[in-house]
Amino acid sequence: DGGITQSPKYLFRKEGQNVTLSCEQNLNHDAMYWYRQDPGQGLRLIYYSQIVNDFQKGDIAEGYSVSREKKESFPLTVTSAQKNPTAFYLCASSSGVAAFFGQGTRLTVV
Amino acid sequence: QKEVEQNSGPLSVPEGAIASLNCTYSDRGSQSFFWYRQYSGKSPELIMFIYSNGDKEDGRFTAQLNKASQYVSLLIRDSQPSDSATYLCAVNILGGYNKLIFGAGTRLAVHP
Repeated sequence: DGGITQSPKYLFRKEGQNVTLSCEQNLNHDAMYWYRQDPGQGLRLIYYSQIVNDFQKGDIAEGYSVSREKKESFPLTVTSAQKNPTAFYLCASSSGVAAFFGQGTRLTVV
Repeated sequence: QKEVEQNSGPLSVPEGAIASLNCTYSDRGSQSFFWYRQYSGKSPELIMFIYSNGDKEDGRFTAQLNKASQYVSLLIRDSQPSDSATYLCAVNILGGYNKLIFGAGTRLAVHP
């Protein structure tokens, strides 16, 4: 099936740990995005990428890092520098017409 | 000024009524506008997109765009309880990198 796959669905992180959230798409989309959503809030842009090996910081990039080594993949690393990482993380991809989302990863710091 | 603004709601309408959701944006050069629906705990799903001034209809949904006023709206006719969700407005910000920015969303409650 074509779509966007995020894994894991739930992730628990200890204080001071780095964790990586996976996002894979088989839609042949050029653009990919990472958003963060806090309870009762909208989506805030973390990073976005238009082509392989190129990406741009969004509005809240501090404490996060990404890579875009393959068109299909856009993993997000939440580093220990991100002081309040508990949130719902959403990955999206776009052909340039509209963006479509994966099912999200819910990250909790324990 | 936020790039994309929406009234957080909740907007409460009776079943069968028209729900009107509004969105304003700050970047006058923006070209593409999107409406997403998000149920609690789920990821957003695309309802409609619009590029040109005027109205675009799809079933019970109508998107309206007024670029001069930097205003986008979504009308939902014959509202159903299943339409109860948060509606997110998104704008493609110009700048060469296809930056997609979302508003904070409007919560819609349709009561029987």
